[in-house]
Amino acid sequence: DTGVSQDPRHKITKRGQNVTFRCDPISEHNRLYWYRQTLGQGPEFLTYFQNEAQLEKSRLLSDRFSAERPKGSFSTLEIQRTEQGDSAMYLCASSLMGQKNEQFFGPGTRLTVL
Amino acid sequence: AQKITQTQPGMFVQEKEAVTLDCTYDTSDPSYGLFWYKQPSSGEMIFLIYQGSYDQQNATEGRYSLNFQKARKSANLVISASQLGDSAMYFCAMREGRSGGSNYKLTFGKGTLLTVNP
Repeated sequence: DTGVSQDPRHKITKRGQNVTFRCDPISEHNRLYWYRQTLGQGPEFLTYFQNEAQLEKSRLLSDRFSAERPKGSFSTLEIQRTEQGDSAMYLCASSLMGQKNEQFFGPGTRLTVL
Repeated sequence: AQKITQTQPGMFVQEKEAVTLDCTYDTSDPSYGLFWYKQPSSGEMIFLIYQGSYDQQNATEGRYSLNFQKARKSANLVISASQLGDSAMYFCAMREGRSGGSNYKLTFGKGTLLTVNP
C-alpha cells in the first residue's frame, strides 16, 4: 500500500538559498494539493493541481514560490530566496474526484530557514 | 470571520472513556463537506471521518462518530473507548461547494491536542 510520499522529510537551509520539495501522490489520484502548516496552526492551502494543470494558487504563495506537476504524477514545490518566515511544514495531499474528495496527506517536509 | 473554530486547545481523557472534540463552522454555501483529521507527533495528517452537508445520518467510522448539528453549524468528533494511541492533534476541516465542482481545498481549524491518560 503506497500512500503519499514526500522528499526530503527535513530541510535546513540558509536564508537566501533556493529549496525544492517533491511529492509523489497515490498513483490513481488526479488531484494534488500543497499546504503549509506553521507551529500551532492548522494547514493552510497553497495550491492545487488537477492532473498537470495548476488550477489555483493561494495569495499565500508569493512570487518566490512555484509549483509544477509536469506529467500529472509527481509534483515539485520550489521556494526561491528563502526567508525565515518560510520555515514551516509543507504538506502534500492527493485525492480522487468524487463525493467525498477526501484528501490523503503525505508525511510532510519540515523546512527550517536559518 | 473564522470558517472553522475549534475552541478547545487541549483536552484530557482517561483511557477507555469517551471524549468529544468541538468544531463549529461558518459557510453560506448549502453544499459542503466536513472532515476530521488526526495528526500524531510524527506530523502526518490521517483522515478519520467525513460528513456531507446533505447526509441525513451522522457519520461513523469504527470508534469515531461525528455529531452533526446542521442548524447549529457544529460537527463535533466523538471518540469512544479512548486508547493511548489516540493522543494527537485533531483538526476539523471544511470543503465548501460540491466536490465535483471547482471547490476542493480544505480550510482547517487550529486543532485540539488530545491527551489520553492511562
